[in-house]
Amino acid sequence: GAVVSQHPSWVICKSGTSVKIECRSLDFQATTMFWYRQFPKQSLMLMATSNEGSKATYEQGVEKDKFLINHASLTLSTLTVTSAHPEDSSFYICSASLARDPNQPQHFGDGTRLSIL
Amino acid sequence: DAKTTQPNSMESNEEEPVHLPCNHSTISGTDYIHWYRQLPSQGPEYVIHGLTSNVNNRMASLAIAEDRKSSTLILHRATLRDAAVYYCIPGGSSNYQLIWGAGTKLIIKP
Repeated sequence: GAVVSQHPSWVICKSGTSVKIECRSLDFQATTMFWYRQFPKQSLMLMATSNEGSKATYEQGVEKDKFLINHASLTLSTLTVTSAHPEDSSFYICSASLARDPNQPQHFGDGTRLSIL
Repeated sequence: DAKTTQPNSMESNEEEPVHLPCNHSTISGTDYIHWYRQLPSQGPEYVIHGLTSNVNNRMASLAIAEDRKSSTLILHRATLRDAAVYYCIPGGSSNYQLIWGAGTKLIIKP
């Protein structure tokens, strides 16, 4: 149980393109989902916290107009990288929490590798 | 947020036990200690978590110091598939955010 599906697994596109990444909780409802970014040989960096039905909370230094997050249902959150440029190339990972207890584990998607040419 | 200290890397032989240490001396009294691991090119995977008592599950054991300033993740018989970066993360009691350090890269030698 507690499976999080992330799609697509990888995407290559031209500079200036907007890219949408989906994160779905397959067998549970997730009121809170998280979006991370990971550069090569570095740790995960939290980008934003996504709550169903409300605006996402972005971490300092993350442009909310560039990284659009929508959490329209309890099982789906999307991250759209708008007008992507080569410096946006990274590994993007989402996670979801099963319960309303923040001490319970988070469950992660397999990540999306984004390459901007 | 509590800061953690983990070895950059550790090596172990296959089928031997592995003890991965973590110092979290500034952990708050209500924060759990979470352990995740990340295999190459994959998202992180939950391993185990605990508050005060030692914990066991099918993947690993977690030994928590009495003062909670440190903990040790124990893999009882390491396999090649256990090669990953292991992250020790205190937190979550006040919100859901996990703050990721550099972790320990575990290398398993056949």
